[in-house]
Amino acid sequence: GAVVSQHPSRVICKSGTSVKIECRSLDFQATTMFWYRQFPKKSLMLMATSNEGSKATYEQGVEKDKFLINHASLTLSTLTVTSAHPEDSSFYICSARDPINWTYEQYFGPGTRLTVT
Amino acid sequence: GNSVTQMEGPVTLSEEAFLTINCTYTATGYPSLFWYVQYPGEGLQLLLKATKADDKGSNKGFEATYRKETTSFHLEKGSVQVSDSAVYFCALRALNSGNTPLVFGKGTRLSVIA
Repeated sequence: GAVVSQHPSRVICKSGTSVKIECRSLDFQATTMFWYRQFPKKSLMLMATSNEGSKATYEQGVEKDKFLINHASLTLSTLTVTSAHPEDSSFYICSARDPINWTYEQYFGPGTRLTVT
Repeated sequence: GNSVTQMEGPVTLSEEAFLTINCTYTATGYPSLFWYVQYPGEGLQLLLKATKADDKGSNKGFEATYRKETTSFHLEKGSVQVSDSAVYFCALRALNSGNTPLVFGKGTRLSVIA
C-alpha cells in the first residue's frame, strides 16, 4: 500500500523556538494532506487540510499563524510550529490521500512526538 | 455536526477471548465508516471499512457491519491474539470527496494477555 513518512519522529525544543515537521508521500502524489494532533487518551483532532499549491484550510480554533502549513509539492507538506510553548507538546500526525484511488483512502504517517521544554 | 462515539477503554482480554468494541456515529447523509488500528510506536493503519448500509468490512479476523438503523459500526473478533494489542479508532467520512477529512472517535486501547 501507499506509504507516508514523517520526519523527525521525535523532537525536543526549547520554548520560543520553531520546529518544522515534514510529511512525505513516498510512492504516490498527494494533492490533499491533512494534519492531526493527538492528545493523550483522546482522539485525533484535525488541525488543517492542505491542498498542493494553495493555502491550507484550518479548523476552528487552530491558530494559522502559529501552525504554518506549506504544501509546495505533490509529495511534501510541512508543519511549522512557531514560537513553541510547552502546551504545544503533543503527537502530530499527517495523512495523505491518494487521488488515483477512487475511494479516497487516507494513509497516515507514523507521527512526530514534539516536546517543548 | 458529524461525530463518532466509541466505548471507553482500556479493554483487557485473555488470548482467544471474543472482542467487541462499540462504535456509534452521528452524521448527515450516508457516511463511509472505518476502523483504524494504531500499534505501539506506529502510525494509524486502515483495518476495515464499509461504504454503505449493511456492508460488512472484514480483515485479519476482524469484522464490522454498517448498521444504519442503529447508526453503529461495532468491531468484533472471535478470538483475539496478543498481537492484536493496539489502539482502535472508529472513524467516518461524511462525503466521498478529496477534501473531506476523517472524523475519529477517541480510540479504545486493547490489551490481550497470554
